[in-house]
Amino acid sequence: QKEVEQDPGPLSVPEGAIVSLNCTYSNSAFQYFMWYRQYSRKGPELLMYTYSSGNKEDGRFTAQVDKSSKYISLFIRDSQPSDSATYLCALTGGFKTIFGAGTRLFVKA
Amino acid sequence: GAVVSQHPSWVICKSGTSVKIECRSLDFQATTMFWYRQFPKQSLMLMATSNEGSKATYEQGVEKDKFLINHASLTLSTLTVTSAHPEDSSFYICSARDTERANVLTFGAGSRLTVL
Repeated sequence: QKEVEQDPGPLSVPEGAIVSLNCTYSNSAFQYFMWYRQYSRKGPELLMYTYSSGNKEDGRFTAQVDKSSKYISLFIRDSQPSDSATYLCALTGGFKTIFGAGTRLFVKA
Repeated sequence: GAVVSQHPSWVICKSGTSVKIECRSLDFQATTMFWYRQFPKQSLMLMATSNEGSKATYEQGVEKDKFLINHASLTLSTLTVTSAHPEDSSFYICSARDTERANVLTFGAGSRLTVL
């Protein structure tokens, strides 16, 4: 079993839709949870990070962590074509960071 | 926020030559940097952990003599692909831990290597 599972997609949605991206993990030692966005041929950029269960909101983005279920989500409201990218979840425990496979998102105008 | 600069952004070289990629933390000190390799439509594959002033730690299956890592200062790590071959063509990305957000990795923009 992989330490982090993430559906690679692709996920295609119309502009304005609410997007839900998810990762599940198996190791309860992970303490910090991050979402990165990666445009084609660019390095990943940090969108959000959190270390506790619950929701964290930043503009159109909401990160949700459920440690009891080992499940993390990223919601994008009012999605825009510029949101089209690959979204990677990342989990850190101690000095180790594990990345999900990344979900490719396409937002159609 | 923390910024990591990576150079060059793309490079084309002939088979058998060596290529150096630089990774710099611009506004913070990074005792540890990480080097990744990414194939098209795939996630990041950690190659090695670069430690300032000491030898890098390589992941299983990564040839340390092929991918030389030097971390001579708190703001600079370099990856040298030695005697490059077409199969080394890939997207290489570095990252460093943001000291203000100790568990968050900040990434460089990546370097696309094409070996002819």
